[in-house]
Amino acid sequence: EDQVTQSPEALRLQEGESSSLNCSYTVSGLRGLFWYRQDPGKGPEFLFTLYSAGEEKEKERLKATLTKKESFLHITAPKPEDSATYLCALQGTGTASKLTFGTGTRLQVTL
Amino acid sequence: EPEVTQTPSHQVTQMGQEVILRCVPISNHLYFYWYRQILGQKVEFLVSFYNNEISEKSEIFDDQFSVERPDGSNFTLKIRSTKLEDSAMYFCASSVFTEAFFGQGTRLTVV
Repeated sequence: EDQVTQSPEALRLQEGESSSLNCSYTVSGLRGLFWYRQDPGKGPEFLFTLYSAGEEKEKERLKATLTKKESFLHITAPKPEDSATYLCALQGTGTASKLTFGTGTRLQVTL
Repeated sequence: EPEVTQTPSHQVTQMGQEVILRCVPISNHLYFYWYRQILGQKVEFLVSFYNNEISEKSEIFDDQFSVERPDGSNFTLKIRSTKLEDSAMYFCASSVFTEAFFGQGTRLTVV
């Protein structure tokens, strides 16, 4: 069964204080690893897709990386507007199209 | 920018009543999905729909649930006889292939 575990559950950073969020996963065959951002009461907002180990994607202050067992979302010099829950999800080759989500990391960035 | 739209944003219904949640996916997308998120829990897959038929469904998606694409633009989720435990945020999503884009959700409250 596909599984996604995210850590930490919550993270509080000061503005400008860089950090990383972890997503470890187990899957028999990986079709894609996805990162989403979710604001309270809203739907997940797509950030990145990673397909193979060693791949990296960047967008503004965010950078996602992938190994065979985990993915990291690096946040460089975060701002208060980066505060949100960051969700990791995977799509395995054993399924048609479903995403299996982790429970997310709740990030708060303070001034 | 194209987006997935969902209506209503909030629906309150009595236990045992039927509800229909509506979604307009992004126009050139081929795959359509419903997910739900119970308050404080992870986003869970319900069903995927491709080429006018269900391509995959989860254990949650039992006989009380059905999906339909009644015309070229709408995608609906029907819950025949709602239970208290159906209270959740329901998200519609669509994709060309793997990268799913989510709507803002319908908050369903069963009383």
